[in-house]
Amino acid sequence: AQSVTQLGSHVSVSEGALVLLRCNYSSSVPPYLFWYVQYPNQGLQLLLKYTTGATLVKGINGFEAEFKKSETSFHLTKPSAHMSDAAEYFCAVSDLSNTGNQFYFGTGTSLTVIP
Amino acid sequence: DTGVSQDPRHKITKRGQNVTFRCDPISEHNRLYWYRQTLGQGPEFLTYFQNEAQLEKSRLLSDRFSAERPKGSFSTLEIQRTEQGDSAMYLCASSFPINEQYFGPGTRLTVT
Repeated sequence: AQSVTQLGSHVSVSEGALVLLRCNYSSSVPPYLFWYVQYPNQGLQLLLKYTTGATLVKGINGFEAEFKKSETSFHLTKPSAHMSDAAEYFCAVSDLSNTGNQFYFGTGTSLTVIP
Repeated sequence: DTGVSQDPRHKITKRGQNVTFRCDPISEHNRLYWYRQTLGQGPEFLTYFQNEAQLEKSRLLSDRFSAERPKGSFSTLEIQRTEQGDSAMYLCASSFPINEQYFGPGTRLTVT
């Protein structure tokens, strides 16, 4: 079974500061990991994903995340926050098996960017 | 626009009424998913289809909920005898196997 824990339901950063959103996962099989962003009253948009290969993955809008198997973590970072980054961020895990493709989402982290 | 579309975007209904939502996936995707999202929570899996076959249903999907994907293209989610607890955002997503899911904008249901 898979699950995701996002530490910190609300994170505030100053514009230009480092963004760090934490995600820890639990998976009985090699995980596939995702970060999605959701703006108010909209669906989820994929930021980045880790499937296999390089553990540091780069996504859209300057975000990146590093898969650390030993820490069962997949934290999302961005060197310099922009006002437009204010949104809800969700980490998700899946096994992407041929028999199922269910995603398990964390409860989300709301990012506020202070001007 | 070739993304996932959902209709309607908003639905207000009275308790006890039936509602139906539609999802049109990305055309070449053979997998389609329904999720429910309540305020302050991440999306919760409801059910998924591979082509026209409904392969998995969550225990969250009570008998009042039914989903179909008759020709392996669009899908509908019906809720019968709505309750106030059904108020949520209903999200649809589609994918190829072994790939990320692409989400639609959601249908926000309010049951009064």
